[in-house]
Amino acid sequence: ETGVTQSPTHLIKTRGQQVTLRCSSQSGHNTVSWYQQALGQGPQFIFQYYREEENGRGNFPPRFSGLQFPNYSSELNVNALELDDSALYLCASSSGPSQSNTEAFFGQGTRLTVV
Amino acid sequence: SQKIEQNSEALNIQEGKTATLTCNYTNYSPAYLQWYRQDPGRGPVFLLLIRENEKEKRKERLKVTFDTTLKQSLFHITASQPADSATYLCALAGLTGGGNKLTFGTGTQLKVEL
Repeated sequence: ETGVTQSPTHLIKTRGQQVTLRCSSQSGHNTVSWYQQALGQGPQFIFQYYREEENGRGNFPPRFSGLQFPNYSSELNVNALELDDSALYLCASSSGPSQSNTEAFFGQGTRLTVV
Repeated sequence: SQKIEQNSEALNIQEGKTATLTCNYTNYSPAYLQWYRQDPGRGPVFLLLIRENEKEKRKERLKVTFDTTLKQSLFHITASQPADSATYLCALAGLTGGGNKLTFGTGTQLKVEL
């Protein structure tokens, strides 16, 4: 098990609602990335935070927003939920500004279902 | 267009055999390539990282090759065991203009049978 914890593990929301997902990074890690994984697909990069600043964003609309706190935990907020937002949301933590050249530690994910 | 291709069909092999999984990519120039294992309902777990100037990397029963000319990585599990059954994801990293993210393939499901 990694030291990355996500909450909640499962969530059901109605279309149009807003949701906040949380991630506690592994001790000593200052970078957190968020990914969306639809069923049968690989994870898709949403954005990354390094020392409380966003330092990379994927092709997701502005209704996907995030935050990283001084203790390096992170939140993912999604507004105006759509049915296609139903997916497994993963956060990954690591040390240093890039997850390209180092091991990323993933949490167990939050399964979001939008009805 | 940019693509990362992994076998979409499950790979079934017998226990003790070597499993070989393929990751092909087009219109990318990764500086690094990573392999992850993912069990159902769980987050991916890091296995190996290989750099563009490395041809091969090994870790216990795992071996990864990286051919930047063919734009292909092969992932081998020797002496496979039923516990190796999982989905294996390749991820490109260090892409030109791609920032710090990992770009994943769709994964290949491996089933090791007794």
